[in-house]
Amino acid sequence: QKEVEQNSGPLSVPEGAIASLNCTYSDRGSQSFFWYRQYSGKSPELIMSIYSNGDKEDGRFTAQLNKASQYVSLLIRDSQPSDSATYLCAVKVTGGGNKLTFGTGTQLKVEL
Amino acid sequence: DVKVTQSSRYLVKRTGEKVFLECVQDMDHENMFWYRQDPGLGLRLIYFSYDVKMKEKGDIPEGYSVSREKKERFSLILESASTNQTSMYLCASRRGPNEKLFFGSGTQLSVL
Repeated sequence: QKEVEQNSGPLSVPEGAIASLNCTYSDRGSQSFFWYRQYSGKSPELIMSIYSNGDKEDGRFTAQLNKASQYVSLLIRDSQPSDSATYLCAVKVTGGGNKLTFGTGTQLKVEL
Repeated sequence: DVKVTQSSRYLVKRTGEKVFLECVQDMDHENMFWYRQDPGLGLRLIYFSYDVKMKEKGDIPEGYSVSREKKERFSLILESASTNQTSMYLCASRRGPNEKLFFGSGTQLSVL
């Protein structure tokens, strides 16, 4: 079982819709969770971090964490074509020196 | 703004060559990382360093070594390049364990 799993997509949503991106992780003791966005040919950039159960909102983005289910998600409201990118889920695993483990990413396409 | 600079954007090397990938950050970050990114496999951690002259193996260290003689510089070394090391290499740095990871622009290495 992979440590961090994401559906590779592509996930296609119409402009203005809500995009829902999901991530599961295997290490029950994981403490910190991150969402990075990566445009084609570019480096990943952090868009959200979440550390406790529940929702965290930042503009059009909402991160949701459920530690009991080992599940973290990212919602993008009012999706725009500029949101088309690959979204990487990253988890700070316990032990291993605070390293981040990344999922393989979900490609999101927002269509006009 | 934090800048993480990788010395080359594209690099072509021959099998058996010794290859050096250089990474420099300008924000006095303690932690530095080397990842490789391959289609379908996502970002995989090769090596990381928490401080000068300190290094830790990541998930896929075989065939690689690193050097951190100065705080701002973290070098990845391919002792004898092989074709399966053709990949995008990404350097990253951060101030501390729960801080944002800043990525360099990446080096696309082709080993022929």
